[in-house]
Amino acid sequence: QSVLTQPPSMSGTPGQRVTISCSGSSSNIGIQTVSWYQHLPGTAPKLLIYINNRRPSGVPDRFSGSKSGTSASLAISGLQSEDEADYYCSAWDDSLNGFVFGTGTKVTVL
Amino acid sequence: EVQMMESGGGLVQPGGPLRLSCAASGFTFNVYGMGWVRQAPGKGLEWVASIGNSGDDSYYAASVKGRFTISRDNSNNTLFLHINSLRAEDTATYYCGRWQLVGGNWFDPWGQGTQVTVSS
Repeated sequence: QSVLTQPPSMSGTPGQRVTISCSGSSSNIGIQTVSWYQHLPGTAPKLLIYINNRRPSGVPDRFSGSKSGTSASLAISGLQSEDEADYYCSAWDDSLNGFVFGTGTKVTVL
Repeated sequence: EVQMMESGGGLVQPGGPLRLSCAASGFTFNVYGMGWVRQAPGKGLEWVASIGNSGDDSYYAASVKGRFTISRDNSNNTLFLHINSLRAEDTATYYCGRWQLVGGNWFDPWGQGTQVTVSS
């Protein structure tokens, strides 16, 4: 059962900016850092953002993360066809004493 | 290069046991926590379990607690997930990941996954 809520789908044309929201609570996003993953089913999930807004080496700067209160967001600017994938936010939850993942957002490039 | 390779999946009967393995390489295994997530067909990612670097502390999702056991063999750089009393709802692709705890909590990188199908 997902504790973090994301929009099921979003779409955009090449070059556009897409922002995915992730809504949590005071026991997870409110007091813990957020990470974001890109996933194509059947392949290894890929870390895009950690500690709210940090990008691992190799992740294009088109991807950016932010956090405010109990919500976080992932922005993809200059959308490209290879960005078509599922995106998940995640955080540690102090009440559950474990990780929680978002419901996932499927991004389609029109 | 940091790599994880899962194995042990397959077609298994309901009620049976199963052990998944994750062979890690390219990093000092006993310094890092590790974890498992899964993705059922048509569903999103679900965290399953995590274990600290020494193996002394483990954490489980409520949906699997009592049936799943995470363990590790630091001498052989291998992570395990022991599953008992398999149910149809355990059908999923299981991924192992390196758990990073410096300044926050996240997984990087992940393995390619191993498919588990529970069916008679």
